[in-house]
Amino acid sequence: DQQVKQNSPSLSVQEGRISILNCDYTNSMFDYFLWYKKYPAEGPTFLISISSIKDKNEDGRFTVFLNKSAKHLSLHIVPSQPGDSAVYFCAASAVGGATNKLIFGTGTLLAVQP
Amino acid sequence: KAGVTQTPRYLIKTRGQQVTLSCSPISGHRSVSWYQQTPGQGLQFLFEYFSETQRNKGNFPGRFSGRQFSNSRSEMNVSTLELGDSALYLCASSLQGPYQETQYFGPGTRLLVL
Repeated sequence: DQQVKQNSPSLSVQEGRISILNCDYTNSMFDYFLWYKKYPAEGPTFLISISSIKDKNEDGRFTVFLNKSAKHLSLHIVPSQPGDSAVYFCAASAVGGATNKLIFGTGTLLAVQP
Repeated sequence: KAGVTQTPRYLIKTRGQQVTLSCSPISGHRSVSWYQQTPGQGLQFLFEYFSETQRNKGNFPGRFSGRQFSNSRSEMNVSTLELGDSALYLCASSLQGPYQETQYFGPGTRLLVL
């Protein structure tokens, strides 16, 4: 069962516009969420995270929003740049028995058109 | 500080063979996690090691095993290779573990099983 879902396999956005990547989760025990970016032939790199005690976290052009009641998080990139073109993974973890692992979504390929 | 290194970067094996992949974490990191990435499946958690002990394991058959050494370097082994084992294998390290910590990924080992 896919506990973390990214339903959009790909997204195309014009340079300078907003990119919105979405992620849904099913396990209500998840309390810490992260976004990773991955370029071809490289490992994923950490982008931004959010704890369940917050509903928003911002870092430069990147903002993550968390809606716990809907079990949904989103990553906003404003303004989008061609260098942002990559695969984006959301991930979740929980305190307790599942502490020592991250559950990843299947990824969304973002293409930012110049 | 050197990043996470993985060797080899590319590997071609035939069905039935076994393979060993190596991961050297960032200096000072004691937690090493392994993931399998295949198209459409995202990153699937294999296992996590901390101080030479496996703390958590994903839903993979017993053909997948791993270990961690006293210097935190880790290896994973896949025995009796199947075509479906073709994937990118990623390892990630962190100080204490994946929960509420940033995991740093290596570039991965691309395994092709013929």
